[in-house]
Amino acid sequence: GAGVSQSPSNKVTEKGKDVELRCDPISGHTALYWYRQSLGQGLEFLIYFQGNSAPDKSGLPSDRFSAERTGGSVSTLTIQRTQQEDSAVYLCASSQWGSTGANVLTFGAGSRLTVL
Amino acid sequence: AQSVTQLDSQVPVFEEAPVELRCNYSSSVSVYLFWYVQYPNQGLQLLLKYLSGSTLVKGINGFEAEFNKSQTSFHLRKPSVHISDTAEYFCAVRQGAQKLVFGQGTRLTINP
Repeated sequence: GAGVSQSPSNKVTEKGKDVELRCDPISGHTALYWYRQSLGQGLEFLIYFQGNSAPDKSGLPSDRFSAERTGGSVSTLTIQRTQQEDSAVYLCASSQWGSTGANVLTFGAGSRLTVL
Repeated sequence: AQSVTQLDSQVPVFEEAPVELRCNYSSSVSVYLFWYVQYPNQGLQLLLKYLSGSTLVKGINGFEAEFNKSQTSFHLRKPSVHISDTAEYFCAVRQGAQKLVFGQGTRLTINP
């Protein structure tokens, strides 16, 4: 597609429920990122995928969070047993792989998660 | 690990006034630095980037930033702001091969 597509745009859930957030990156972009944006907290790195390499999961805040990327394209971020502190905007970005820092991240509009 | 600090969480300025948004980075190796902007209810988009070469980098919408190695800074500037510049601005540094680490953001508010 023309841009990074995320769904749902808004999700309200009850504490303890599981949620799945989807990201469809730009066609041909080999790198895919998930960030979390909380009020006053800036952008917190969660995970990134690059081609067939093992993902960098160093930013996942707990084992309730997981992500997968199927076929090198669409990614799903899953949060199990949601807690109120998980409320945030979850941003997905994609980029073309580059050996220099020239890769530019293109962001989606985000999925706003509210845990009641 | 490389990181960035944005010194101001909020910056209010009057329309047509100059503005500087401050960003300091921590790194002992060569750095790649970025500024992204997030307009209200929109996703982030790249304003400008520094990879190497000239320390003065020009971006979109009249913004520029200067890489200062001795002060480990990458401040964003615009000589005359408009109402449409109201947004949140994020400084970022590349960490490792591909990951971008962002600062906490600076909310720029333009008053008429």
